[in-house]
Amino acid sequence: LAKTTQPISMDSYEGQEVNITCSHNNIATNDYITWYQQFPSQGPRFIIQGYKTKVTNEVASLFIPADRKSSTLSLPRVSLSDTAVYYCLVGDNGYGQNFVFGPGTRLSVLP
Amino acid sequence: DSGVTQTPKHLITATGQRVTLRCSPRSGDLSVYWYQQSLDQGLQFLIQYYNGEERAKGNILERFSAQQFPDLHSELNLSSLELGDSALYFCASNGRDSYEQYFGPGTRLTVT
Repeated sequence: LAKTTQPISMDSYEGQEVNITCSHNNIATNDYITWYQQFPSQGPRFIIQGYKTKVTNEVASLFIPADRKSSTLSLPRVSLSDTAVYYCLVGDNGYGQNFVFGPGTRLSVLP
Repeated sequence: DSGVTQTPKHLITATGQRVTLRCSPRSGDLSVYWYQQSLDQGLQFLIQYYNGEERAKGNILERFSAQQFPDLHSELNLSSLELGDSALYFCASNGRDSYEQYFGPGTRLTVT
């Protein structure tokens, strides 16, 4: 399983764009990169997934360079409600997938 | 609402006891995952079932066991409970060919 490294915490202000980078140097060919968001005492919630280049949905963008050894989750114009822990996961989508959640990045959005 | 339900919401029990946590996956989802989240350990994958069969095993203790029934609901059994087993236990499910896991609200277990 590819290990991931993220910053433990980040601070931002409302309205700013936030970029959280995840390192995964030993990512395998079949591995996808998935990001989840978790609020206190709630289960994680899927944000976005990608394999290479850029993926965008209604809440975030995911940038993956050609070597795929890192990825950046971009949250545009954050609000106070985006304060949460963000997890980067790397793994294949096959059956028997074994998701390994690292410690995540605790994002605090300040007014 | 993710569509995944877990019962009970809260559970308080004593050391040495045994408890059963229940999870009902989203309608149609065949895979069920169990996770443990404690303050000092983060979110730990325990075990996965797919259509009644064990599919993957993570950091699950021998005192813990799980199963998935024909109606696809799953139970996590925790025995000989220790103080360190106090945690939030999450269940998640996803469907065939789906990478997105849907998490339930969790069961908060307190061992005293």
